[in-house]
Amino acid sequence: GENVEQHPSTLSVQEGDSAVIKCTYSDSASNYFPWYKQELGKRPQLIIDIRSNVGEKKDQRIAVTLNKTAKHFSLHITETQPEDSAVYFCAASVRSQGNLIFGKGTKLSVKP
Amino acid sequence: GAGVSQSPSNKVTEKGKDVELRCDPISGHTALYWYRQRLGQGLEFLIYFQGNSAPDKSGLPSDRFSAERTGESVSTLTIQRTQQEDSAVYLCASSVTGSSNQPQHFGDGTRLSIL
Repeated sequence: GENVEQHPSTLSVQEGDSAVIKCTYSDSASNYFPWYKQELGKRPQLIIDIRSNVGEKKDQRIAVTLNKTAKHFSLHITETQPEDSAVYFCAASVRSQGNLIFGKGTKLSVKP
Repeated sequence: GAGVSQSPSNKVTEKGKDVELRCDPISGHTALYWYRQRLGQGLEFLIYFQGNSAPDKSGLPSDRFSAERTGESVSTLTIQRTQQEDSAVYLCASSVTGSSNQPQHFGDGTRLSIL
């Protein structure tokens, strides 16, 4: 079945710097790749997603890139702010199934 | 509109007891998912309902776990004879359809603690 690997597990940046989180997936039939932000004790919140027919998507300071050949996708956060501090999860969904397979998460700390 | 609603928000019970967790999906969403999140870990898929189709139970960790859904509304996740390793946050999500490329929206979860 699908397996999603996420790196790094922790990431510390200075406010204003960029942060990049990378994920790889194993099943070439995966066609949907969302990213969730989870603050401590809160629900995971969808922040951006990308479908397999697109290579890049941007929403203000957040962007996601997808390389289907290499089976990896990345989250890019520019001009980081302290409120970006949270755990970020990538996930993949296989075309024939509905459920998401999640990476283990990246704890992002943005230092003022 | 209202988001995914889960109850109770917290549940503490003794080992060996049965527990029932409830999820109210977003109105109009036909697909409903249950996930488990152990402390400091990622989300683990448990079970998925899509409309009137048979549920995908492939993620249930043992036969102590079961879930039901009435039509396209409320779902309950039942854990029988709870064990300490069942302690986790149980998250429910819903999406408009069960298509693999539809966004899933999560509830706040039920934090289950087994003493």
